[in-house]
Amino acid sequence: NAGVTQTPKFQVLKTGQSMTLQCAQDMNHEYMSWYRQDPGMGLRLIHYSVGAGITDQGEVPNGYNVSRSTTEDFPLRLLSAAPSQTSVYFCASSYSILGLRELFFGEGSRLTVL
Amino acid sequence: AQSVAQPEDQVNVAEGNPLTVKCTYSVSGNPYLFWYVQYPNRGLQFLLKYITGDNLVKGSYGFEAEFNKSQTSFHLKKPSALVSDSALYFCAVRDGGSGTYKYIFGTGTRLKVLA
Repeated sequence: NAGVTQTPKFQVLKTGQSMTLQCAQDMNHEYMSWYRQDPGMGLRLIHYSVGAGITDQGEVPNGYNVSRSTTEDFPLRLLSAAPSQTSVYFCASSYSILGLRELFFGEGSRLTVL
Repeated sequence: AQSVAQPEDQVNVAEGNPLTVKCTYSVSGNPYLFWYVQYPNRGLQFLLKYITGDNLVKGSYGFEAEFNKSQTSFHLKKPSALVSDSALYFCAVRDGGSGTYKYIFGTGTRLKVLA
C-alpha cells in the first residue's frame, strides 16, 4: 500500500517556466489537497478537492491550478513560476470529506525557483 | 473564518519531564481538531484527533491532548518526554458543520527534548 505518492521530490525551475507536481493516492480517498510549507508560516492550503471533477481554492491559490479527473490523481500546476513559489509542497488526502478523518500526507516536493 | 494559533515557536524540555505544546483555535461551528508531527525531510504524520466525546484524547507514541471548549484550546501533552520526540508539531482544525472543507494548520512548534 503506497499511500500518497508525490513526484518529483526535487525540482529547480527558472522564473517563468511551467511545471506540474504530481500527486497520486491508492486509498480511494475522496478528499485531496495541496499545501505549501514555508519557514515561520506553517502549512498553507493552496487548493483542495472533495471528489473527481470538484476543486476549490484554499488560502493561497494565486499562481496555481489544479484539476481532478480521477479519484486517484490531483496534480498541481504552476503556469509561470516565480521565486515566491520556492517552497516545499505537500499533497494530502482523507477518506472523509466531512473532516471526521485525518489527512494522510505525501513525502513532499521541494521546489526552487531561480 | 477558521484559524489556529500555536503561540510558541519552540519548546525545550528535559528528557523524562512532562511536555505541553499549546494550540488555540477559532471556528464558527463545531471544531474538529488534529495534531500532527513532522520529522526532518518527511511528510506530516497523524498523532491524534478530537471530533466529539471525551475531552481527553489519547493518541500515538504516548501523546494525549485536552480539548477545552471554553478556552478554545487543544494542547498536546505527554507525561514523560523522550529525546526521540524532538520534531516539529502542527495543530490543525476543520470547521465541522459550516460547509467548509478546509483543514487549516498552525505555524508549528519545534519541540526539543534535551538528554
